[in-house]
Amino acid sequence: QITLKESGPTLVKPTQTLTLTCTFSGFSLSTSGVGVGWIRQPPGKALEWLALIYWDDDKRYSPSLKSRLTITKDTSKNQVVLTMTNMDPVDTATYYCAHSISSSSPHFDYWGQGTLVTVSS
Amino acid sequence: QSALTQPASVSGSPGQSITISCTGTSSDVGSYNLVSWYQQHPGKAPKLMIYEGSKRPSGVSNRFSGSKSGNTASLTISGLQAEDEADYYCCSYAGSSPYVFGTGTKVTVL
Repeated sequence: QITLKESGPTLVKPTQTLTLTCTFSGFSLSTSGVGVGWIRQPPGKALEWLALIYWDDDKRYSPSLKSRLTITKDTSKNQVVLTMTNMDPVDTATYYCAHSISSSSPHFDYWGQGTLVTVSS
Repeated sequence: QSALTQPASVSGSPGQSITISCTGTSSDVGSYNLVSWYQQHPGKAPKLMIYEGSKRPSGVSNRFSGSKSGNTASLTISGLQAEDEADYYCCSYAGSSPYVFGTGTKVTVL
């Protein structure tokens, strides 16, 4: 079965760079059409899509955060890494990674449990 | 790319039907039949309920159905049950920046 799990720091200071890792199993990111995305949710607020990487290394970013985000994949390790620069307290949120089965049918069918990142000095 | 607009809350009694709207623009909801819906219980990860506008993943109750008219997508829950009380989010394909989520709707079972 497909599982995903996010890992990274729980606390970062303002202006620092956040690095989150999504480790997955049950699928390969070298399979045609497959993608892994990152979505975040500030406490008590709505979901916000951040970034997505496809099997062919095509990368997509939220226009509002594009300058701060980088998404990469390590197919051999079954990992996707998201970096977000210049962190601010408003970036405090639960960060989820999720599986997308096909670029022609864009939806997230499997989600990780999420990891809460707090930005504070 | 602005968030899709959903009502903040919708409520209904057990057994009733409720509908949650999700309003976008001609650049997202209106251009593609690629809206997905997610259910989120407190403290839990979202769960896919509907994809491609009206398709249900395996294991999702047929009490959940999706539709679209113009720039507005809708999720209908029929035969409302206590376990349906949760937050619901729509999400639409939006072209080159492929995902935009809705503002979220809290469903309360009275």
